[in-house]
Amino acid sequence: EIVLTQSPATLSLSPGERATLSCRASQSVSSYLAWYQQKPGQAPRLLIYDASNRATGIPARFSGSGSGTDFTLTISSLEPEDFAVYYCQQRANWPLTFGPGTTVDIK
Amino acid sequence: EVQLLESGGGLVQPGGSLRLSCAASGFTFARYAMSWVRQAPGKGLEWVSAVRGSGVGTFYADSVKGRFTISRDNSKNTLYLQMNSLRGEDTALYYCAKGGANCGGDCYYDYWGQGTLVTVSS
Repeated sequence: EIVLTQSPATLSLSPGERATLSCRASQSVSSYLAWYQQKPGQAPRLLIYDASNRATGIPARFSGSGSGTDFTLTISSLEPEDFAVYYCQQRANWPLTFGPGTTVDIK
Repeated sequence: EVQLLESGGGLVQPGGSLRLSCAASGFTFARYAMSWVRQAPGKGLEWVSAVRGSGVGTFYADSVKGRFTISRDNSKNTLYLQMNSLRGEDTALYYCAKGGANCGGDCYYDYWGQGTLVTVSS
């Protein structure tokens, strides 16, 4: 099973600041990695797929990069609605796995 | 508009069974793989099971293999999860999720339902 590790566990930032979230895989997943956002009481929302492609309707301030084992989600300038939990997910190998999440909260 | 509506959750005793359903609309159901993903209270996401669009080809997490069965009825646009031999650690919000384009089960999920809560307790 591919284990995904996310860091930091919590990121405390102010609106307008840049957020950089990391996801590391225990073995290569090539570019088969996605990022999701989840707000309290809501279902997850797909942000990025195949490491760097924005899903439909996702603002350009969200970007993804990386390949192999190291991936980054960047939010260029945090909006109030971006404070949430972010998960990475790999689909390179069965079973599909999610990372434990990074909480982006308001400083 | 894509909609996924889960139902069938509830309180069940350890060792019991439940059948979850997910009614889908707004897309050509048979063309897309579907999955169940769960989230224990206050915890992260855990992929549970997936089924290909045709219904032939099913996949399971080790934690549920042999106890859960995923299926679909493409004539009814409905996804199912039969859960047997339930344990306390199966307590979670169960989401139905639609696979994106060009995936045969191993998907990213572009639409999610709101979930149905399963509580396993005596």
